[in-house]
Amino acid sequence: DTGVSQDPRHKITKRGQNVTFRCDPISEHNRLYWYRQTLGQGPEFLTYFQNEAQLEKSRLLSDRFSAERPKGSFSTLEIQRTEQGDSAMYLCASSSADRDNYGYTFGSGTRLTVV
Amino acid sequence: EDQVTQSPEALRLQEGESSSLNCSYTVSGLRGLFWYRQDPGKGPEFLFTLYSAGEEKEKERLKATLTKKESFLHITAPKPEDSATYLCAVRSRGSTLGRLYFGRGTQLTVWP
Repeated sequence: DTGVSQDPRHKITKRGQNVTFRCDPISEHNRLYWYRQTLGQGPEFLTYFQNEAQLEKSRLLSDRFSAERPKGSFSTLEIQRTEQGDSAMYLCASSSADRDNYGYTFGSGTRLTVV
Repeated sequence: EDQVTQSPEALRLQEGESSSLNCSYTVSGLRGLFWYRQDPGKGPEFLFTLYSAGEEKEKERLKATLTKKESFLHITAPKPEDSATYLCAVRSRGSTLGRLYFGRGTQLTVWP
């Protein structure tokens, strides 16, 4: 297993367009997380799945954002009607419920630029 | 509200010059404090998890300690490859297992 994979690595889009990002977690991990990071800040929590169930959503995740994890495998994060304020690095992470002391494994992120 | 404050914001060390990074936190019951390292353009890389005051973890030149209000990341005889941003995050009893609160990080530069 090569770790958490995110696609694409970079995305430039025009304001108002929809974008979708994909995350493939480590195969034996049942928990998956999405975070957002802007320059000079630490990552901010967006949402969290255990298997296919979405257990928590941050208020940062407005109605323009939606995340799915069908069948408890890969996950997608969609942003509709993008705004310039959505420009950020979107990070996906995964972990195993019974190995909490190993922390979360993060992917390299998808850098979104809205022009 | 759960808060994490890291200091200093930036730190420059000469190779071999030991120092410590600080992470102060305010949470409604700590359910884990995490240290990560982040290189430019990459996602955070897990270093340590600490759960209770008095706990210590070590890995190579790094040692993390925890008290009831803060955590320290001690770097002994750093090398240039230790240059990175070090992030601290907490998970509280007031939130779900998925939510970590991150600080802004300390940007460490080690010069030869």
